[in-house]
Amino acid sequence: GAGVSQSPRYKVAKRGQDVALRCDPISGHVSLFWYQQALGQGPEFLTYFQNEAQLDKSGLPSDRFFAERPEGSVSTLKIQRTQQEDSAVYLCASSRTGREETQYFGPGTRLLVL
Amino acid sequence: AQSVAQPEDQVNVAEGNPLTVKCTYSVSGNPYLFWYVQYPNRGLQFLLKYITGDNLVKGSYGFEAEFNKSQTSFHLKKPSALVSDSALYFCAVREVTGYSTLTFGKGTMLLVSP
Repeated sequence: GAGVSQSPRYKVAKRGQDVALRCDPISGHVSLFWYQQALGQGPEFLTYFQNEAQLDKSGLPSDRFFAERPEGSVSTLKIQRTQQEDSAVYLCASSRTGREETQYFGPGTRLLVL
Repeated sequence: AQSVAQPEDQVNVAEGNPLTVKCTYSVSGNPYLFWYVQYPNRGLQFLLKYITGDNLVKGSYGFEAEFNKSQTSFHLKKPSALVSDSALYFCAVREVTGYSTLTFGKGTMLLVSP
């Protein structure tokens, strides 16, 4: 079956530009997560949705980061006025409900801010 | 706060030899523990998880991990390494009760030589 998909796979932005990163979760997965992975590091939590409700956004590094999942399926992570420190791989994961459930990851979007 | 330590940045092993990738964790309660593998330019792929029950967990591609509560460890093992096992491995933890996100270690690069 189809896994988690993300687009674009690569994005180059000039500093100050806005970017939008898309995530298509596995069909039927209620929970959706965004992570940021810096070079040489493990993924770090950004935000979590259950259906369309954003239940935790404590990991978003600044108010320039915004995420939405309006219909409880596809999600978009938006970064306004990008800065060089935003350069990273952004990973999306989805899972069924339940704390023991496995999160399945997409291939990620590699963002480079020049 | 919960945390994961992967003490080795890199593990080198010859093909056919057993491999161990170490992971220790810290949580205030009981843990759910996960291992993921990441190949270049790919997202994280789920290998195995410990939820409850038998301390020895078997997962994909011949990998297994042993949960040791007294040592707060969850080391990944494989009896006979393959060159194709060369990749970046991440351990992650989440608390069983209360609210917490999935916390990852920094990762361990496994290099299997022919």
